[in-house]
Amino acid sequence: KAGVTQTPRYLIKTRGQQVTLSCSPISGHRSVSWYQQTPGQGLQFLFEYFSETQRNKGNFPGRFSGRQFSNSRSEMNVSTLELGDSALYLCASSSTSSPNEQFFGPGTRLTVL
Amino acid sequence: GNSVTQMEGPVTLSEEAFLTINCTYTATGYPSLFWYVQYPGEGLQLLLKATKADDKGSNKGFEATYRKETTSFHLEKGSVQVSDSAVYFCALTSGGTSYGKLTFGQGTILTVHP
Repeated sequence: KAGVTQTPRYLIKTRGQQVTLSCSPISGHRSVSWYQQTPGQGLQFLFEYFSETQRNKGNFPGRFSGRQFSNSRSEMNVSTLELGDSALYLCASSSTSSPNEQFFGPGTRLTVL
Repeated sequence: GNSVTQMEGPVTLSEEAFLTINCTYTATGYPSLFWYVQYPGEGLQLLLKATKADDKGSNKGFEATYRKETTSFHLEKGSVQVSDSAVYFCALTSGGTSYGKLTFGQGTILTVHP
């Protein structure tokens, strides 16, 4: 079974721009969660989607948004980028039979200049 | 709210040494506990898990026991290898309405020298 895939792996943007990151979960997994990883704040939960619905959300500003498609693929969007948005963005998927066991993708490294 | 506290790193050991990385938590309800490992340039890999008190998770020589009385989930390995060098994260989820949300500790960098 293929693992969680994320595209692109690396991204460089400038302040004020917006960016869209993509995540394809493991086949059959319907839950996708997103995390931001930075040296200062560590790993922080952004949001979770299940069957195209956001079920849970972390404490991030409204510039961070996401969506999920009918095939469970998910996208995350960050608008009006700030320097502090530079981070590794990780997505994880889980199955309905083991909802607490998350499998992570390799991440997208976003650099904001 | 939920929180996880890991021992400060970095931890530097010689090959075949004994490893302990401490992890304590604060959580509502009955959390599930996890250890994840991150190798350079990669995402997180689930190392082991425990879903209820006194459960012992184990994998690749690593072990951790869910201690509800001390709210701890310490990671141990009897004999580390150079290939174990990585960052280790303790994490928990409360389940219920905490859909898809893992709360992580700050991570512990482990370096193993030959």
